[in-house]
Amino acid sequence: DQQVKQNSPSLSVQEGRISILNCDYTNSMFDYFLWYKKYPAEGPTFLISISSIKDKNEDGRFTVFLNKSAKHLSLHIVPSQPGDSAVYFCAASGRGGSQGNLIFGKGTKLSVKP
Amino acid sequence: TAGITQAPTSQILAAGRSMTLRCTQDMRHNAMYWYRQDLGLGLRLIHYSNTAGTTGKGEVPDGYSVSRANTDDFPLTLASAVPSQTSVYFCASSDPHQGEAFFGQGTRLTVV
Repeated sequence: DQQVKQNSPSLSVQEGRISILNCDYTNSMFDYFLWYKKYPAEGPTFLISISSIKDKNEDGRFTVFLNKSAKHLSLHIVPSQPGDSAVYFCAASGRGGSQGNLIFGKGTKLSVKP
Repeated sequence: TAGITQAPTSQILAAGRSMTLRCTQDMRHNAMYWYRQDLGLGLRLIHYSNTAGTTGKGEVPDGYSVSRANTDDFPLTLASAVPSQTSVYFCASSDPHQGEAFFGQGTRLTVV
């Protein structure tokens, strides 16, 4: 059963508007959450993370929100740019192992239109 | 900076043949991982190693083996390839104090 779910396979947004990518998880032992961005024919690159002791982390145009009671996190990109077009993966890790044993969602393909 | 280097970039392999995917990192990270990416399935962990000399099984380890003789190298071996192992394979490493993993550029493997 999927522990990390990204229920939207794709998202299309106009340039300059906000992009909101969503992620749900089922394992309450997860305590660290990450977003990765992936372009075709490249490896995933780390974008932003959040610890379970926080509910928001911001880095420039990117903000991640965590709602632990709902087991839900979201990535906001404001303003969206055409270069943001990529596949975004949500990932989570938990206690008891290396933090790099990441469990990934299936990804959401973001298209930002000029 | 090199970061993580994977070789080969792509390979076509006959079913039943063996192959080793190579992965080298120059960041002195203790932990290393192998993931496979399949359309619609995201990235799934095959094997991992928390430190040189130790390895562990991930979500989809069957048909694969790994070794970690030193900090820098983490090869993935397919002893007898099957078509279902057609995938893009990513090697990654992490420093446990940082949390995030850094990925290589991937190896596209086609088993025919």
